[in-house]
Amino acid sequence: GQQVMQIPQYQHVQEGEDFTTYCNSSTTLSNIQWYKQRPGGHPVFLIQLVKSGEVKKQKRLTFQFGEAKKNSSLHITATQTTDVGTYFCAGRSGQAGTALIFGKGTTLSVSS
Amino acid sequence: GAVVSQHPSWVICKSGTSVKIECRSLDFQATTMFWYRQFPKQSLMLMATSNEGSKATYEQGVEKDKFLINHASLTLSTLTVTSAHPEDSSFYICSAAPSGSTDTQYFGPGTRLTVL
Repeated sequence: GQQVMQIPQYQHVQEGEDFTTYCNSSTTLSNIQWYKQRPGGHPVFLIQLVKSGEVKKQKRLTFQFGEAKKNSSLHITATQTTDVGTYFCAGRSGQAGTALIFGKGTTLSVSS
Repeated sequence: GAVVSQHPSWVICKSGTSVKIECRSLDFQATTMFWYRQFPKQSLMLMATSNEGSKATYEQGVEKDKFLINHASLTLSTLTVTSAHPEDSSFYICSAAPSGSTDTQYFGPGTRLTVL
């Protein structure tokens, strides 16, 4: 079945450093979504990418969807302590309404 | 808008009892709802897809007789963990896809189940 792999599993950075997490799917995706989950909280939707090669930005966060629609990345510029949490990618290979398959997540810790 | 609630937020029960968890979309209709479980410091694992008015679709390895899902209306899906055992202790999260929406899902706050 479809698998979504995410690396690294953990990342610690100093405040102000950049951070990137990568997501790879075993199958071509119709879209990919990114979520952030704070410790003790539930996943919060960040963004969805649909088009091949798409790049979207949200302030210090940059999201990319690969040309082959099988990989994606999330890049945070100049991390802040508020960026702490686990970032999940989730891909859907089927038609609309089918379930998302989540990666294992990348847990980011930031020290000031 | 797009709020999903879950009830209860946490529950502790004795082994052998059944526990029902409700997932409600408060301000939108959801033809499809999804149930996930999450173990500590792990990712979300899809358990089943719940469609209003029809039987749920279970992922491989998930026992449908143990995790009963009922999607009785466009705003409510329930997950019943039958004859719960300690290994069923987990964080159960639902998400709801708005009817007519292509790819958006909104997550509930989750239910922490502890089976003694």
